[in-house]
Amino acid sequence: DQQVKQNSPSLSVQEGRISILNCDYTNSMFDYFLWYKKYPAEGPTFLISISSIKDKNEDGRFTVFLNKSAKHLSLHIVPSQPGDSAVYFCAAREGGSQGNLIFGKGTKLSVKP
Amino acid sequence: KAGVTQTPRYLIKTRGQQVTLSCSPISGHRSVSWYQQTPGQGLQFLFEYFSETQRNKGNFPGRFSGRQFSNSRSEMNVSTLELGDSALYLCASYSGPNTGELFFGEGSRLTVL
Repeated sequence: DQQVKQNSPSLSVQEGRISILNCDYTNSMFDYFLWYKKYPAEGPTFLISISSIKDKNEDGRFTVFLNKSAKHLSLHIVPSQPGDSAVYFCAAREGGSQGNLIFGKGTKLSVKP
Repeated sequence: KAGVTQTPRYLIKTRGQQVTLSCSPISGHRSVSWYQQTPGQGLQFLFEYFSETQRNKGNFPGRFSGRQFSNSRSEMNVSTLELGDSALYLCASYSGPNTGELFFGEGSRLTVL
């Protein structure tokens, strides 16, 4: 059973608009949530993270929101740029297990000029 | 500072053969994790090594094994290859802080015919 779910396999957004990628989880023991971006033929690259004790973390154009009661997090990209086109993976860490992240299946974001 | 290096980048094997993949973590990183990525699936955790000791293991059959050397370099081995083992195998390393951020290599693309 999937503990981290990204229910939208793909998302298409116009350049300059907001991209919102969603992620749901089932395990209340997760203490850190992360977003990774992956281009074809490259390894995933860390984008942004959020601790379970916070509800928002911002880094430039990227903001992650965490709703613990709903077991839901989202990544907002504003404004979206064509270079943001990639597969975005949501990941979660169960407390103390640094190297073992549980990943969602990813959402492919396409930002159209 | 060099990133995580994985070799080989691409390889083709036939069913029943075995394969060994290599990973050199970022200098100073003592932990290495391995993940398998298949089409339509997220990244699935294989195992994690720290200071030559396996710390965590994912839900994969015993045909999948790994080890870490004293210089932190790691290898993973898959024996008696099956068609379903065709995947991108990703290695990641970290040094802290303990936030779950992993640094990934570009992966080894294995095709089993």
